[in-house]
Amino acid sequence: KQEVTQIPAALSVPEGENLVLNCSFTDSAIYNLQWFRQDPGKGLTSLLLIQSSQREQTSGRLNASLDKSSGRSTLYIAASQPGDSATYLCASKSGSNSGYALNFGKGTSLLVTP
Amino acid sequence: DTGVSQDPRHKITKRGQNVTFRCDPISEHNRLYWYRQTLGQGPEFLTYFQNEAQLEKSRLLSDRFSAERPKGSFSTLEIQRTEQGDSAMYLCASSLTHNEQFFGPGTRLTVL
Repeated sequence: KQEVTQIPAALSVPEGENLVLNCSFTDSAIYNLQWFRQDPGKGLTSLLLIQSSQREQTSGRLNASLDKSSGRSTLYIAASQPGDSATYLCASKSGSNSGYALNFGKGTSLLVTP
Repeated sequence: DTGVSQDPRHKITKRGQNVTFRCDPISEHNRLYWYRQTLGQGPEFLTYFQNEAQLEKSRLLSDRFSAERPKGSFSTLEIQRTEQGDSAMYLCASSLTHNEQFFGPGTRLTVL
């Protein structure tokens, strides 16, 4: 079974800093990897989707990279803002024909202080 | 496009009662997923529908749980004889292909 780990579990940074969130997965045979944002008590908002054939995806101040061989993905947030405070989750989708589910990590709780 | 919607947003029930949740996916999305999330954890997969067919069920989906998608549009998740351990956020997601999944706001269940 795919195991997804996110480090650190929590992070506090001052506004304006660039930061990196890490995600590792045990089975490199993934179909894609998706990064989400979750605000307290809310659902998940999709941030970026990286296909297994891609190395990175960018959206505004966010950049996500994927290294299948090492089983790692990173989410880079540039010039952080207090509004970025949330929990960030990564999830991998199995590459097998029978895999439909996303396998989630526990998330990184980010606090950006003014 | 109104996104994935879920109803109710919150449900408080007593142990032993039955509850039913509804999910309306993004229109034209033929794939629908249910997940469960407990405090401090990532979502865990429960079940998957492609159109009206339920193609995958997790071991988490005990015989007290049943999900349906009768016409390939909205879906319902029913929990019978609720237990305190069922307290969680129940999330629904939909997708058009095997790619990006879009999540709803979730239904928060509290079992007293």
